[in-house]
Amino acid sequence: DTGVSQDPRHKITKRGQNVTFRCDPISEHNRLYWYRQTLGQGPEFLTYFQNEAQLEKSRLLSDRFSAERPKGSFSTLEIQRTEQGDSAMYLCASSLQGLADNEQFFGPGTRLTVL
Amino acid sequence: GEDVEQSLFLSVREGDSSVINCTYTDSSSTYLYWYKQEPGAGLQLLTYIFSNMDMKQDQRLTVLLNKKDKHLSLRIADTQTGDSAIYFCAEESGGYQKVTFGTGTKLQVIP
Repeated sequence: DTGVSQDPRHKITKRGQNVTFRCDPISEHNRLYWYRQTLGQGPEFLTYFQNEAQLEKSRLLSDRFSAERPKGSFSTLEIQRTEQGDSAMYLCASSLQGLADNEQFFGPGTRLTVL
Repeated sequence: GEDVEQSLFLSVREGDSSVINCTYTDSSSTYLYWYKQEPGAGLQLLTYIFSNMDMKQDQRLTVLLNKKDKHLSLRIADTQTGDSAIYFCAEESGGYQKVTFGTGTKLQVIP
């Protein structure tokens, strides 16, 4: 399978714990995005990488959230001291710079439940 | 800021046409997209339209863009039960390929 993959698919944690999610983009894609989707809403942009550089962060991304893409390939999203309001689906997408439509290919998401 | 709005629900009979509407606020949007999300599946790009176009047709899908009114629509001809899903309108803006999604329209196709 050469699509975007995310791990884990589901995560249940207790409030106050730290969690880390991983995203593996399509191999030749240099752009990577993180989104958050809550029930009944569309995905909300969190952050964007071009290669290893994090070029934009949403104000939704509080200090408890950090994302990295150390080698310009896979990315991790860490949430520290989780809160119940962090419960959501976290989506990763990738795209290839230079394509006319800048299509973003989405992974299946990681569903986080904070108890 | 960017804001994309859609109606929440649409029900149609199999074989009829479906029209899903969307309004957006960012006049500098370069691309406007329609994504489809099926239960348990990831988001799938259905089609897109460049902001200097007013219509695009792709098989059963027709996208109409009224840039003056910032209104986008997706028409699905001969709607099938397999078209039942949530459809998201989205705009690209901000100069860094940020995509802002609407809240989604749930399309129910009645056999």
